[in-house]
Amino acid sequence: QVQLVQSGAEVKKPGASVKVSCTGSGYTFTDYYIHWVRQAPGQGLEWMGWINPDSGATNYAPKFQGRVTMTSDSSISTGYMDLSSLRSDDTAVYYCAKSYIEAAGTDYWGQGTLVTVSS
Amino acid sequence: EIVLTQSPGTLSLSPGERATLSCRASQSVRSSYLVWYQQKPGQPPRLLMYSASNRATGIPDRVSGSGSGTDFTLTISRLEPEDSAVYYCQQFDSSPRTFGQGTRVEIK
Repeated sequence: QVQLVQSGAEVKKPGASVKVSCTGSGYTFTDYYIHWVRQAPGQGLEWMGWINPDSGATNYAPKFQGRVTMTSDSSISTGYMDLSSLRSDDTAVYYCAKSYIEAAGTDYWGQGTLVTVSS
Repeated sequence: EIVLTQSPGTLSLSPGERATLSCRASQSVRSSYLVWYQQKPGQPPRLLMYSASNRATGIPDRVSGSGSGTDFTLTISRLEPEDSAVYYCQQFDSSPRTFGQGTRVEIK
């Protein structure tokens, strides 16, 4: 069965960086985009960007440009989201999700990774 | 950036009733690039509809989507207790791929 499994919760200090991983199984990893979406406590969903694991192409939301880096390692079917210069308002659950084409929406999601930024 | 505005904020209905959720875009969105999700507490979102009116795998036919341009609608007929959740629309037509702020559906 298709699964996206994310790395565990993180606690970081302001100014630090965090790297969240997302490992796919049950499908051909390079055939699907990996999107990253975050959700602050009690808030809505915020799209951060995507990576095409086949080409390495990325598309970042302007809000995160310069602070986010999305990469992938197809040999282990894993995508990564690296967010730097963390602030307290980056505290959120970070999700990865996959889509075949964007018009089809993101059909499978990871379980989410809580990143807490606190001094 | 395309802003998606969902209404109402909260919908409180009884089992068996129909829920009509609205998603309005600040500029035209190609219908092929509008999707809907359902999210329950403590869970990731679940894809309901893609290309505005196509049900995702496993979604019952009492859930339907429609719309074009700047006005899109998600309809859930014959509400069941399991439909209690927050519903989000998202557009993939232009970057950034924005979400609406969500509509909470409560079952009385």
